[in-house]
Amino acid sequence: AQSVTQLGSHVSVSEGALVLLRCNYSSSVPPYLFWYVQYPNQGLQLLLKYTSAATLVKGINGFEAEFKKSETSFHLTKPSAHMSDAAEYFCAVSEPGGSYIPTFGRGTSLIVHP
Amino acid sequence: DTGVSQNPRHKITKRGQNVTFRCDPISEHNRLYWYRQTLGQGPEFLTYFQNEAQLEKSRLLSDRFSAERPKGSFSTLEIQRTEQGDSAMYLCASSPWGGGPTDTQYFGPGTRLTVL
Repeated sequence: AQSVTQLGSHVSVSEGALVLLRCNYSSSVPPYLFWYVQYPNQGLQLLLKYTSAATLVKGINGFEAEFKKSETSFHLTKPSAHMSDAAEYFCAVSEPGGSYIPTFGRGTSLIVHP
Repeated sequence: DTGVSQNPRHKITKRGQNVTFRCDPISEHNRLYWYRQTLGQGPEFLTYFQNEAQLEKSRLLSDRFSAERPKGSFSTLEIQRTEQGDSAMYLCASSPWGGGPTDTQYFGPGTRLTVL
């Protein structure tokens, strides 16, 4: 069965600082991995996804994530936080060969201080 | 392309009443998904459709929950005899084809249900 664990329900950074949101996955097969962002009163928006091509995936808004099989991790990073990055971030995993239905983590709330 | 729309955005109901939510996917998207999101949790998959066929419904939370997509376009999610534990955000998503690594789900803004 597939699952994800997001370490830290809240992450607080200063504007301009590095953003690091952690995600570890469990999957019985090489997974597909996703990061979504949810702004208040809006639906989830895909930031980036890993589908077994390059292990370093670049997404929208300057975010990127690296798939590390040995660590079963897919952490999300951004070199310099903006106030507009404040939102809820969800990591998700799906297993290829089936219905591709993703399993989401509990989310991490990113707080950006001026 | 106007995105996925959901109606109503908010619904307040009394325990025991039935409620129905509507989702209009992006035009020509074949797949449509329903999720539930409770406070402090990620979306939890409920069911999905490939065109008008409901391909997975074992994850619906109880037999009080049902979903339809009669013509392969919009979908409805009905909850009968609502309970306070049904209070949550109900999300709909659609994707352009039948799944796979390049498929992307596009989410609507959700319907927030409050059961008093």
